[in-house]
Amino acid sequence: SQQGEEDPQALSIQEGENATMNCSYKTSINNLQWYRQNSGRGLVHLILIRSNEREKHSGRLRVTLDTSKKSSSLLITASRAADTASYFCATVGGSQGNLIFGKGTKLSVKP
Amino acid sequence: SQTIHQWPATLVQPVGSPLSLECTVEGTSNPNLYWYRQAAGRGLQLLFYSVGIGQISSEVPQNLSASRPQDRQFILSSKKLLLSDSGFYLCARSVGLAAINEQFFGPGTRLTVL
Repeated sequence: SQQGEEDPQALSIQEGENATMNCSYKTSINNLQWYRQNSGRGLVHLILIRSNEREKHSGRLRVTLDTSKKSSSLLITASRAADTASYFCATVGGSQGNLIFGKGTKLSVKP
Repeated sequence: SQTIHQWPATLVQPVGSPLSLECTVEGTSNPNLYWYRQAAGRGLQLLFYSVGIGQISSEVPQNLSASRPQDRQFILSSKKLLLSDSGFYLCARSVGLAAINEQFFGPGTRLTVL
């Protein structure tokens, strides 16, 4: 079953602009994680935000979490062409409490 | 370093043929291991996970099976492939419970069933 849903499905911006991706989920969570996937490659963990945190920063990444709205956002500031990738959120779900990934947002940053 | 190896990197197989994908992990003991499948342009679907040697749990019924013959080896198999088995297969590990910790992914195997 789908736990996280990213929005938008695709995003195209110019280099230097900020990119914002959103994730909505259905059930209560322990934490929410964001991953990045370059085309044809494995996923790379970007950042984990716990349910008692509201905002977290890592370099040019800023993640917010609103548990009342069951939503999170990932902001990439001053985007670069190298940021072009798909971005996934993941939360706990399924019958055994494993991570469930959304369908992802495909980000394209044009130089 | 903690590295995950997957092979082969790409595979083209006819319908009805068997399958064996291998995943090995370096640099950690007793990891939780996971097999995911990603269809084109889609998210990841968890297929199997293992918390130890010989311990396999399946998330969804399917044409595939998994085995863990060694602590750092996780194998995905099929006796007879279907067209719908095509996809990008990713092996991952976590330290402790996946619900709490991040997962590390291998480079993936792209399987095309013709």
